[in-house]
Amino acid sequence: NAGVTQTPKFQVLKTGQSMTLQCAQDMNHEYMSWYRQDPGMGLRLIHYSVGAGITDQGEVPNGYNVSRSTTEDFPLRLLSAAPSQTSVYFCASSYSLLYLQGGELFFGEGSRLTVL
Amino acid sequence: AQSVSQHNHHVILSEAASLELGCNYSYGGTVNLFWYVQYPGQHLQLLLKYFSGDPLVKGIKGFEAEFIKSKFSFNLRKPSVQWSDTAEYFCAVNALSNLFFGTGTRLTVIP
Repeated sequence: NAGVTQTPKFQVLKTGQSMTLQCAQDMNHEYMSWYRQDPGMGLRLIHYSVGAGITDQGEVPNGYNVSRSTTEDFPLRLLSAAPSQTSVYFCASSYSLLYLQGGELFFGEGSRLTVL
Repeated sequence: AQSVSQHNHHVILSEAASLELGCNYSYGGTVNLFWYVQYPGQHLQLLLKYFSGDPLVKGIKGFEAEFIKSKFSFNLRKPSVQWSDTAEYFCAVNALSNLFFGTGTRLTVIP
């Protein structure tokens, strides 16, 4: 098992550009989510999904889109990048909400995004 | 507003010193509480968790945490830190079908 795989690991964008951060898991996890990690602010939940075809907003969803067409993939789209979106992005997954309640959340290695 | 607060942003200790990191949450009702650790260059890992029962829970690597319901707190402790404990520590709460994290505390242990 590869676990949770994120690509790219590093990306530099110009303001206004769009891009997609990819996230894939091979553990047949129902729950997937995206967090952003910023200094002094910890991890903040952007969007999450409890299964294919189901997505919902987290704490800081503005400027981001997600979709969940398959169980394995949960891409995060930046529609028009802004400097405020400079951050480290983590994808995370869990077998189910029940497992999530138990803290069983598996993280990817992160994607560092810089918006100039 | 519902939140998870960690008041210590950066803690610097010498090896063998005792550690206590504070965590307070403001979610109502029954919550599950966690501490995660992020070692340099790595992703987050679960350190310990509390669901119910004994409010003193033990985790990996000698860490423990105490849940005090009346104070909405879940402080992390370790009697004697090691250089290898240098990392960032995040308190988290399971509420509203998600995990919400605190702002993190960076621990630096000096050999």
